[in-house]
Amino acid sequence: GAGVSQSPSNKVTEKGKDVELRCDPISGHTALYWYRQRLGQGLEFLIYFQGNSAPDKSGLPSDRFSAERTGESVSTLTIQRTQQEDSAVYLCASSLYAPYYEQYFGPGTRLTVT
Amino acid sequence: QQQVKQSPQSLIVQKGGIPIINCAYENTAFDYFPWYQQFPGKGPALLIAIRPDVSEKKEGRFTISFNKSAKQFSLHIMDSQPGDSATYFCAASIETSGSRLTFGEGTQLTVNP
Repeated sequence: GAGVSQSPSNKVTEKGKDVELRCDPISGHTALYWYRQRLGQGLEFLIYFQGNSAPDKSGLPSDRFSAERTGESVSTLTIQRTQQEDSAVYLCASSLYAPYYEQYFGPGTRLTVT
Repeated sequence: QQQVKQSPQSLIVQKGGIPIINCAYENTAFDYFPWYQQFPGKGPALLIAIRPDVSEKKEGRFTISFNKSAKQFSLHIMDSQPGDSATYFCAASIETSGSRLTFGEGTQLTVNP
């Protein structure tokens, strides 16, 4: 079946611009996570959605970052007024239900801020 | 604060060798310890995972050893193959807190033919 998909696969933007990254989770998965992976580093947790519960935003690095999810479907991560330090691969994962179920990762969106 | 420390950063072995990757954690509330494998341009994929009620888990050529008192766990790859060349990440989570994963910094493994 279809896995987690993310778009765009690559995004180059100028410093100060806003960007939107999209994640389509596996159908039926109630939990959705966003992580950031800087070059040569491990993944950092950003935000977690579980069904209709309030999201866990504790990993968002600043108020320039926000994310939305409509029900149990698509999620959008928005970065406002991008900075060069925002350059990274942004990965989305979904799981059937959190906790206790495996997280399946998408291929990521590579964001480059020039 | 780095809560999961992984070593080595890179590792080169010959085909058939047994690479070992080590991780140490600080938060004793962690209760789920997965290992992920990542190929270039792809997202990480779950390889094997362990919970602290057991000291060892094997799945095929992959084994996790877990030492709760030392707060350490390691991945062993038996009979390594060139196709195992990838970046490996250890991670930890607290399952009752939604399973948000805390990752190590990764180990780039190269298995030479």
